[in-house]
Amino acid sequence: AQKVTQAQTEISVVEKEDVTLDCVYETRDTTYYLFWYKQPPSGELVFLIRRNSFDEQNEISGRYSWNFQKSTSSFNFTITASQVVDSAVYFCALSEATETSGSRLTFGEGTQLTVNP
Amino acid sequence: EPEVTQTPSHQVTQMGQEVILRCVPISNHLYFYWYRQILGQKVEFLVSFYNNEISEKSEIFDDQFSVERPDGSNFTLKIRSTKLEDSAMYFCASRVSPQTNYGYTFGSGTRLTVV
Repeated sequence: AQKVTQAQTEISVVEKEDVTLDCVYETRDTTYYLFWYKQPPSGELVFLIRRNSFDEQNEISGRYSWNFQKSTSSFNFTITASQVVDSAVYFCALSEATETSGSRLTFGEGTQLTVNP
Repeated sequence: EPEVTQTPSHQVTQMGQEVILRCVPISNHLYFYWYRQILGQKVEFLVSFYNNEISEKSEIFDDQFSVERPDGSNFTLKIRSTKLEDSAMYFCASRVSPQTNYGYTFGSGTRLTVV
């Protein structure tokens, strides 16, 4: 069975600080996908990134960067120079890649990030 | 950009009543999903649907729940006899296929309140 753990329930930072959100996953599959979603106070789920298990290159998109380490089963997310608008709940999720099943997403518990001015 | 549309955005219903939550997935997507998020908790998988049948369901998706794609565009979730604990945000999602480079597209959710 697959499992995603986000050990940080809440993080509070001051604007312009860097912040890293941790994600550790468990899966028996060799092929899988990892995701990060943002859930602002309005409630929708905003897709941030998708990585497959064969691509361990770190990715940077503006102020966001992701560090995928297969050796430690981690997929951590860093926001550089945080802004108040980054305040949201962030979910890490895992999906196995199969030929026949629907490939459900398994979500972590989420990390509530609060960025204070 | 194509969107997954969910209606209504908020529904209040009395315990024991039937509710139908509606979703219009992206037109060329083939896989459809319902997820649930109880307030303050994580998002949980309910069911996946492909080729007009359920491909996978979770232990949450019991006999009170059913899904249907009645007309080739809508994808509905029915709760037969609602309970207080069914109060949650329900998200619909769709994707082209699990093997593509495209992720899931989620709708904005329907907040269901059972009173």
